[in-house]
Amino acid sequence: KQEVTQIPAALSVPEGENLVLNCSFTDSAIYNLQWFRQDPGKGLTSLLLIQSSQREQTSGRLNASLDKSSGRSTLYIAASQPGDSATYLCAVRPAQAGTALIFGKGTTLSVSS
Amino acid sequence: GAGVSQSPSNKVTEKGKDVELRCDPISGHTALYWYRQSLGQGLEFLIYFQGNSAPDKSGLPSDRFSAERTGGSVSTLTIQRTQQEDSAVYLCASSIDRGNEQFFGPGTRLTVL
Repeated sequence: KQEVTQIPAALSVPEGENLVLNCSFTDSAIYNLQWFRQDPGKGLTSLLLIQSSQREQTSGRLNASLDKSSGRSTLYIAASQPGDSATYLCAVRPAQAGTALIFGKGTTLSVSS
Repeated sequence: GAGVSQSPSNKVTEKGKDVELRCDPISGHTALYWYRQSLGQGLEFLIYFQGNSAPDKSGLPSDRFSAERTGGSVSTLTIQRTQQEDSAVYLCASSIDRGNEQFFGPGTRLTVL
């Protein structure tokens, strides 16, 4: 059974720091991996999608990497800003057809000014 | 529409009552998913619709939960005889096809008193 773990559960950093959020999954047979952001009381905003054949994706100050064989993904946030404060969720889609995303419990990030 | 919409945004009900939650996916998206996010828990998959195929109901927690998708578009999640443990945020997502990026709605916060 696929399990997704995110470490740390919470992280506090001062503005301007570069930081890395970690995601690990137990079964390397995945179709893709998606990183989301969730603000308090809100839905999920998709940040980056990495297909199983890809190693990384970049969007602005965000860079996500995928090492499928070791069951790991990282989300790198450069030059963090207070507006980055949110919960970041990692989700994998198993390789079997017609299956939904399996989520980690998230990392709650707080960036102080 | 521009994104996935859900209604109502908040629902408070009494234990034992039935509730209906609605999801309008992005136009043209063939895949639709329902997830639940409980306090302290991660997001868990409930049910998945793909085109005209039979839905994947493997995530539904009990037979009190059901969902339908009419005309391949709007979906309704019904919870019968609600219990306090049903209190959660119910999130709907859609994707253009089953393997693609999922886009989430803002969710419906259900509180069962």
